[in-house]
Amino acid sequence: DAGVIQSPRHEVTEMGQEVTLRCKPISGHDYLFWYRQTMMRGLELLIYFNNNVPIDDSGMPEDRFSAKMPNASFSTLKIQPSEPRDSAVYFCASRPQGGNTEAFFGQGTRLTVV
Amino acid sequence: GNSVTQMEGPVTLSEEAFLTINCTYTATGYPSLFWYVQYPGEGLQLLLKATKADDKGSNKGFEATYRKETTSFHLEKGSVQVSDSAVYFCALSAYSGGGADGLTFGKGTHLIIQP
Repeated sequence: DAGVIQSPRHEVTEMGQEVTLRCKPISGHDYLFWYRQTMMRGLELLIYFNNNVPIDDSGMPEDRFSAKMPNASFSTLKIQPSEPRDSAVYFCASRPQGGNTEAFFGQGTRLTVV
Repeated sequence: GNSVTQMEGPVTLSEEAFLTINCTYTATGYPSLFWYVQYPGEGLQLLLKATKADDKGSNKGFEATYRKETTSFHLEKGSVQVSDSAVYFCALSAYSGGGADGLTFGKGTHLIIQP
């Protein structure tokens, strides 16, 4: 398996624009997570899905953020409108069923909002 | 709620020095514990894990023992190398029977090894 695949790797956009980040989890994994990493706040869990259903979105910072998982092999994280404070590295991760299993991370998308 | 506390860096050591990065946690349920490593420009990679009390995880010369009595999972290595320079994250997953939780991470410790 190629691992968790995220696209794009880098995104530079202007304030106010819509940004869509994409993730393909590892085949067969039941859980998908979106994290945000910044120097100030470290690694934050934004939302996670189980079998394509959102389970906990309490980490989503505001209504400008939304995430979907239309099928088992694809998820998106959308920011609309984007703001400079959204600049961060966004990671997608997936894991199989079972509480003792680790999550596998993608390479991340570095988002810069100017 | 769940939380992980780890020593903040940067931690700077000379090559071949002994390394300890402290990690303590609070959790509900029955946590599994993990150490992840992040090299510059890359995603997080699992370094080692332990799933129950007194388990020892080990990989690439790194070790950590799950200590339930002290709620700790300290990372150690006997002789570090320049290539170990990275950011290290302690994390937990509390499986409470209703399903796996998202991993809760510490803030990360930046390790710098000087030749």
